[in-house]
Amino acid sequence: NAGVTQTPKFQVLKTGQSMTLQCAQDMNHEYMSWYRQDPGMGLRLIHYSVGAGITDQGEVPNGYNVSRSTTEDFPLRLLSAAPSQTSVYFCASSWGTGNTEAFFGQGTRLTVV
Amino acid sequence: DAKTTQPPSMDCAEGRAANLPCNHSTISGNEYVYWYRQIHSQGPQYIIHGLKNNETNEMASLIITEDRKSSTLILPHATLRDTAVYYCIVQSAGNKLTFGGGTRVLVKP
Repeated sequence: NAGVTQTPKFQVLKTGQSMTLQCAQDMNHEYMSWYRQDPGMGLRLIHYSVGAGITDQGEVPNGYNVSRSTTEDFPLRLLSAAPSQTSVYFCASSWGTGNTEAFFGQGTRLTVV
Repeated sequence: DAKTTQPPSMDCAEGRAANLPCNHSTISGNEYVYWYRQIHSQGPQYIIHGLKNNETNEMASLIITEDRKSSTLILPHATLRDTAVYYCIVQSAGNKLTFGGGTRVLVKP
């Protein structure tokens, strides 16, 4: 049982490049979400999914796309990287709504130059 | 979504209890109070949650006031490894967790 796995752990992109941050969970969780954390700040919700085939926007969705074709995977795509997207990205998963805890991955540290 | 207010930082002596306050005066009746912590830049770690009753687990205790407008996380015997940022979060519909600034706790020897 690996929990929530994020890859890569570190990435450097040039402005304008695109890439996909991978997130996988092996707990059969319905809910998955992506957060970003800028230095000295709390986490901000980018996108989330309540199940396969269903996604929705969070607080800061611009510049990011997501899809949820399987229960296990929830990739985050940066369409055209910008320096403002330099951040640490965390993926989380949990059971259904209500009385449940979220499990977080160890993060992807992204630098856009 | 209900917002939370926490002090930005606090110090605690090793071996003593750490009491972390959180205000959530706009919480609605079906919203849970959650506590997570983040050590260095690792992924947040779940600590405890509750609806209206006090809760205790192997990590901490959660005391929620009767009107549910505030709560306190208690770490009974703080260790140096408890140094972290602690987030008090009110869970909204659809299981969205909205993080605030948290409380930076420094446990001192």
